[in-house]
Amino acid sequence: EAGVTQSPTHLIKTRGQQATLRCSPISGHTSVYWYQQALGLGLQFLLWYDEGEERNRGNFPPRFSGRQFPNYSSELNVNALELEDSALYLCASSWGVSYNEQFFGPGTRLTVL
Amino acid sequence: QQQVKQSPQSLIVQKGGIPIINCAYENTAFDYFPWYQQFPGKGPALLIAIRPDVSEKKEGRFTISFNKSAKQFSLHIMDSQPGDSATYFCASQTGSARQLTFGSGTQLTVLP
Repeated sequence: EAGVTQSPTHLIKTRGQQATLRCSPISGHTSVYWYQQALGLGLQFLLWYDEGEERNRGNFPPRFSGRQFPNYSSELNVNALELEDSALYLCASSWGVSYNEQFFGPGTRLTVL
Repeated sequence: QQQVKQSPQSLIVQKGGIPIINCAYENTAFDYFPWYQQFPGKGPALLIAIRPDVSEKKEGRFTISFNKSAKQFSLHIMDSQPGDSATYFCASQTGSARQLTFGSGTQLTVLP
């Protein structure tokens, strides 16, 4: 069974640009979660999508947004990039009654110059 | 209210030793407590998890001890191996919100 996949592996942007990160959940998983892992700040929850809807949002500004597609894949958009947005962005997925168990992808390393 | 405090920040043990990592939480609404293992360049991998209705859970060489009254839980790694060298994160979750609240991580080094 394939795990959670994310693309691209690395992304380099300049301040003020927009970044789009993509995630494909484990087959059969309907919920997708995004987390930010920044140096010194640990792992922080960003967004939760389920059945195409945003269900919960962490303490991040509105320039962090995303969506979930009918095939349950998801993308995270970060607008007006700031230097402090440089981090590893992790996607996780879960399903149904086992919703507690979140399985993570390898992440996208975003560097903002 | 949402914090999870993890200690120690780093830990070095000899092969065969039993490293212990501790976490404390504040929010009594948390009802699921997983531990994740992360190797450099990889995403976190779910190791073991516990719910507050049990005091201990074992899976292979990994054991979680849970103290509901003290709002603390810990990870024990039996017969540790150099391959266990990684960063370990505790986390807490409420079913309704789904978000995982993570501890700050413990970098474990197991010497051969």
